[in-house]
Amino acid sequence: DQQVKQNSPSLSVQEGRISILNCDYTNSMFDYFLWYKKYPAEGPTFLISISSIKDKNEDGRFTVFLNKSAKHLSLHIVPSQPGDSAVYFCAASAASFGNEKLTFGTGTRLTIIP
Amino acid sequence: ETGVTQTPRHLVMGMTNKKSLKCEQHLGHNAMYWYKQSAKKPLELMFVYSLEERVENNSVPSRFSPECPNSSHLFLHLHTLQPEDSALYLCASSPGTYNTGELFFGEGSRLTVL
Repeated sequence: DQQVKQNSPSLSVQEGRISILNCDYTNSMFDYFLWYKKYPAEGPTFLISISSIKDKNEDGRFTVFLNKSAKHLSLHIVPSQPGDSAVYFCAASAASFGNEKLTFGTGTRLTIIP
Repeated sequence: ETGVTQTPRHLVMGMTNKKSLKCEQHLGHNAMYWYKQSAKKPLELMFVYSLEERVENNSVPSRFSPECPNSSHLFLHLHTLQPEDSALYLCASSPGTYNTGELFFGEGSRLTVL
């Protein structure tokens, strides 16, 4: 049973437009959420995170929104650039589980069309 | 050398072989991890080491045997593997196990079991 779900395996967005990647989770114990980005032949790299005490965190072109009641988070990238083409993984952790135990989604492949 | 490095990047082995994957981190971190990424599945946590002590063994078959001789090095010894063990094996590190969950990943070792 997947506790973190990314229901869109792929997404294509025009350069300059907004990219929105979605993630749903089922475990209400999760209290910290992260997004990782992965290029081919490279390991995932940390992108942005959000604690459950917040509903928004922004870092440059990247913003993560958290809706706890819906158990949903989203990553907004604006404006989208060709270098943003990658696989994006959503991950969640819980302090009570030990924060090192990240639970990952299956990833969404984002393609930015020039 | 920077970050987290994994060797070999690619490995092909028969079911009766014995091989090892190596991971080295140059970040001064105290925790190291092995993750498995199979096609169309989420990253799965296999093992966690904190200060060279194993703190998590996520129900991994005994044909996978980890070793952490010091806080900078992590090995995954492989023996009598099955074809379904073919996957990308990712090593990661973090400052400690009770941090915010941000992990620093290596580029992965792509394993094919024939």
